[in-house]
Amino acid sequence: IAGITQAPTSQILAAGRRMTLRCTQDMRHNAMYWYRQDLGLGLRLIHYSNTAGTTGKGEVPDGYSVSRANTDDFPLTLASAVPSQTSVYFCASSVEFRGDEQFFGPGTRLTVL
Amino acid sequence: EDKVVQSPLSLVVHEGDTVTLNCSYEVTNFRSLLWYKQEKKAPTFLFMLTSSGIEKKSGRLSSILDKKELFSILNITATQTGDSAIYLCAVFSGTYKYIFGTGTRLKVLA
Repeated sequence: IAGITQAPTSQILAAGRRMTLRCTQDMRHNAMYWYRQDLGLGLRLIHYSNTAGTTGKGEVPDGYSVSRANTDDFPLTLASAVPSQTSVYFCASSVEFRGDEQFFGPGTRLTVL
Repeated sequence: EDKVVQSPLSLVVHEGDTVTLNCSYEVTNFRSLLWYKQEKKAPTFLFMLTSSGIEKKSGRLSSILDKKELFSILNITATQTGDSAIYLCAVFSGTYKYIFGTGTRLKVLA
């Protein structure tokens, strides 16, 4: 693994289903983030983690949950998907949670029908 | 409410032109401002600015921050078709989050 990876690349999901988007980084970064990107709205922060074992809510957390059991992995779960969660999801990481450069994964395109 | 506004929303230029992209912000406890370039997929980092008046430069790209007037500009000289992308501005605030603008979509015609 080099950098930050996400899986799946894309997914079509029926409304009401549960879905986990995976994110793994091998840079030993302390801080990790989940964003969604929608046309005309830019990148919006869903949840973040400033170190393993801690998480926090971003701008649009409703309907999403995260966990940070270790430094490398930061999965995002949609407990019961709704069509408004159709979006492109980016995971990112930075060395610390202090305003430094963020490294982004390639994104997951999710469609909820 | 914290916000970051980019202008213009989109821009079409010809190869060789110089462009200036703008980013203004209103945030509590400003810490840093970052510029990213987004082509097909993930945003990639260009610059991080924390101090006013100090220009950051990388090849044909440069950026500067004005903390008094609360804005930053990104300049691209001698544009090339490979500069076509969405340019994103983000500000890290004291509420411990990155706030992104909606981006400027730049298209450079050959």
